[in-house]
Amino acid sequence: DAEITQSPRHKITETGRQVTLACHQTWNHNNMFWYRQDLGHGLRLIHYSYGVQDTNKGEVSDGYSVSRSNTEDLPLTLESAASSQTSVYFCASSERLTNSPLHFGNGTRLTVT
Amino acid sequence: DQQVKQNSPSLSVQEGRISILNCDYTNSMFDYFLWYKKYPAEGPTFLISISSIKDKNEDGRFTVFLNKSAKHLSLHIVPSQPGDSAVYFCAASRVNTGNQFYFGTGTSLTVIP
Repeated sequence: DAEITQSPRHKITETGRQVTLACHQTWNHNNMFWYRQDLGHGLRLIHYSYGVQDTNKGEVSDGYSVSRSNTEDLPLTLESAASSQTSVYFCASSERLTNSPLHFGNGTRLTVT
Repeated sequence: DQQVKQNSPSLSVQEGRISILNCDYTNSMFDYFLWYKKYPAEGPTFLISISSIKDKNEDGRFTVFLNKSAKHLSLHIVPSQPGDSAVYFCAASRVNTGNQFYFGTGTSLTVIP
């Protein structure tokens, strides 16, 4: 079965360090998204990509970057981790650009100390 | 500014009864709506969708109702089962925005055996 795999599942890092969260999907979807989930905010869009070499900023993109070198992977990088970036991060993909449900991975819980 | 709101953080229902989860939105340009179910330590799982050209969509025990004039949607689960205990998120996207979704803050449903 097709799926989205996120790694690591848990990560603890220190303030100021660079961190990369991995996302790998086998759906062969062009459209991939990164969200963060925080209490009181639901899920908020960080970055998204509609295909190889395409990346776009979402609602809460400050301090994050993504790159898309192939269809399967969209790694999320925290350039200099801050305590405000302690959160649960979800990667998702969708088949179409409109009216298409998102398929989510199981998330990465990141703690910045 | 939360464009999709779930004003009830939690809901408890007896097994076999109906569960009604509510969601309000502020942006009249939203035209596609989703409901997700989330268990702890897992990613959100897609449940059911509705397009703005419809006012009802049904899938087994799950029915979503959309009231465009009130900017309100609801998810009905009948009959409720203990396995339905989870956090439910509603999400909305606008026409021509490339499947970018705005999520509510979630409602935690507990179905009591």
